[in-house]
Amino acid sequence: AQSVAQPEDQVNVAEGNPLTVKCTYSVSGNPYLFWYVQYPNRGLQFLLKYITGDNLVKGSYGFEAEFNKSQTSFHLKKPSALVSDSALYFCAVSGPGYSTLTFGKGTMLLVSP
Amino acid sequence: GAGVSQSPSNKVTEKGKDVELRCDPISGHTALYWYRQSLGQGLEFLIYFQGNSAPDKSGLPSDRFSAERTGGSVSTLTIQRTQQEDSAVYLCASSLARRGLTDTQYFGPGTRLTVL
Repeated sequence: AQSVAQPEDQVNVAEGNPLTVKCTYSVSGNPYLFWYVQYPNRGLQFLLKYITGDNLVKGSYGFEAEFNKSQTSFHLKKPSALVSDSALYFCAVSGPGYSTLTFGKGTMLLVSP
Repeated sequence: GAGVSQSPSNKVTEKGKDVELRCDPISGHTALYWYRQSLGQGLEFLIYFQGNSAPDKSGLPSDRFSAERTGGSVSTLTIQRTQQEDSAVYLCASSLARRGLTDTQYFGPGTRLTVL
């Protein structure tokens, strides 16, 4: 079975500081990893994904994520946080032979001015 | 182009009533997914349609839940004899769904269901 853990329910960061939202996963075979963001009363918006290739993936709105196979992690990062980045972030995983994505429970990111 | 659309955006119903939720995927997307988002529970997979194949119903929580996809496009999720624990946001997503699930799923805005 595949699973995702987002160990932090909430991350607080000041505007202009770097941010990290953590994600670890478990899946048989090579993972396909995704990050989504959800703003209040909205659906999920795709940020970025790792399928293969370079371990550092760049996505929308200045976000990036680093795939670390040995640590089975796919942490989301941004060098300088904006107040407008405040939202709920979901990590998701799938793999060869699976037909669905498994999502983590989400991490609320709060960026203070 | 148009994204995934869902209707209604909000639905309030009484316990025991049936409800139907609609999803209109992105044109050309062959895969369609339904998820349920409950407070503090993340996203729970419900059902997956891929082209003309039999749907993957492994996530449906009970036989009160069913879904269909007509003509490979619009999908309807039906919940019969609703219970208060069915209250949640129901999200629909679609993707091109090439082999290996590497394609990005694009989500609709969701339907917020409240069962009184």
